[in-house]
Amino acid sequence: EPEVTQTPSHQVTQMGQEVILRCVPISNHLYFYWYRQILGQKVEFLVSFYNNEISEKSEIFDDQFSVERPDGSNFTLKIRSTKLEDSAMYFCASSEGTITEAFFGQGTRLTVV
Amino acid sequence: DAKTTQPNSMESNEEEPVHLPCNHSTISGTDYIHWYRQLPSQGPEYVIHGLTSNVNNRMASLAIAEDRKSSTLILHRATLRDAAVYYCIHRFGNEKLTFGTGTRLTIIP
Repeated sequence: EPEVTQTPSHQVTQMGQEVILRCVPISNHLYFYWYRQILGQKVEFLVSFYNNEISEKSEIFDDQFSVERPDGSNFTLKIRSTKLEDSAMYFCASSEGTITEAFFGQGTRLTVV
Repeated sequence: DAKTTQPNSMESNEEEPVHLPCNHSTISGTDYIHWYRQLPSQGPEYVIHGLTSNVNNRMASLAIAEDRKSSTLILHRATLRDAAVYYCIHRFGNEKLTFGTGTRLTIIP
């Protein structure tokens, strides 16, 4: 069964460092998303991406965040200068269309120290 | 943002049916009702979605009220693997899913 894969599964970084979280969405999907979940809290939407551009972003997704689909298969989330409060599980998701189901990866646990 | 109301927690015995309710009184005519679940330490997992008619798939059934202001997710025979947080979400027609706090389902062996 096709699945969304994320790497690494766990990333530890120092405050102020840049991190790149990587995702390989399902191959025929057109819509891509990043969500995050701080420990014990709700899953929060960060950004959606379609046709090589951001289609929607939340207030969390400020100038420190960026997304890219560099080669037609990978979908990355970059955090330029990490803060302690960026520590969370980050989930990538993809879907074929806007009213079909979204498939989520297993997540990357980001720990900022 | 879309607002749905779900009980914080529910318990069910293993191998019995489970009915998870959701109220979505502000739903508009074109919103779909989606259910996802999140098993411990995993990403959200799609369960089922529908618009007006009841829906069935291999995981569950979705019963949608005639006025669409509520729905019920039905797990026909709960297993221990069904212990998870279940989220009821309706979409405004945009792409994102807005997760609430969901219902934490505990399965009693």
